Amino acid sequence: DQQVKQNSPSLSVQEGRISILNCDYTNSMFDYFLWYKKYPAEGPTFLISISSIKDKNEDGRFTVFLNKSAKHLSLHIVPSQPGDSAVYFCAAIALYSGGGADGLTFGKGTHLIIQP
Amino acid sequence: DAGITQSPRHKVTETGTPVTLRCHQTENHRYMYWYRQDPGHGLRLIHYSYGVKDTDKGEVSDGYSVSRSKTEDFLLTLESATSSQTSVYFCAISETPGQAFEAFFGQGTRLTVV
Repeated sequence: DQQVKQNSPSLSVQEGRISILNCDYTNSMFDYFLWYKKYPAEGPTFLISISSIKDKNEDGRFTVFLNKSAKHLSLHIVPSQPGDSAVYFCAAIALYSGGGADGLTFGKGTHLIIQP
Repeated sequence: DAGITQSPRHKVTETGTPVTLRCHQTENHRYMYWYRQDPGHGLRLIHYSYGVKDTDKGEVSDGYSVSRSKTEDFLLTLESATSSQTSVYFCAISETPGQAFEAFFGQGTRLTVV
């Protein structure tokens, strides 16, 4: 059963407008949520993260919102630029009480296409 | 960019042969991971290591083994490659989990099993 779900395989947005990518999760034990961006033939690169005790984190054009009661998070990109065209992965992690952790659990990804 | 090197970058192998992928880091990070990426599945964790000679299984570990004899190297071995193991394999590294737990990824290894 998928613990992290990205239900939109693709999203097309006009340049300059807002891009909103959504992610749902089922595991209430997740402590952090992260967004990764991936270009073809490259490894994923870290974009932004949010702790489960926060509801918003902002970094330049990127803002992540977390709604714990709904087990939902979203990534907002404003304004969208052509270089933002990529696959975006939502990921989550649950930390052990001793501070260790397993690896990140990823969603299937959303392919964002920014149209000129 | 984090110092992560995966080798080889591309490999074609025959069913039933053993294959070893190498991940080398220069960041002295404690944690190392192997993921595979497949269409419709995103990235799935195969194995990870939390220190030299300390490894554990991930979500899709069947058919794979790993070894970490030095901090900088994490090897992924397919004992007897099958066509279902055709995939893009990514190595990742991270510090001890803390505030944000970003993992840094290598460029990937495209493995084709024929």
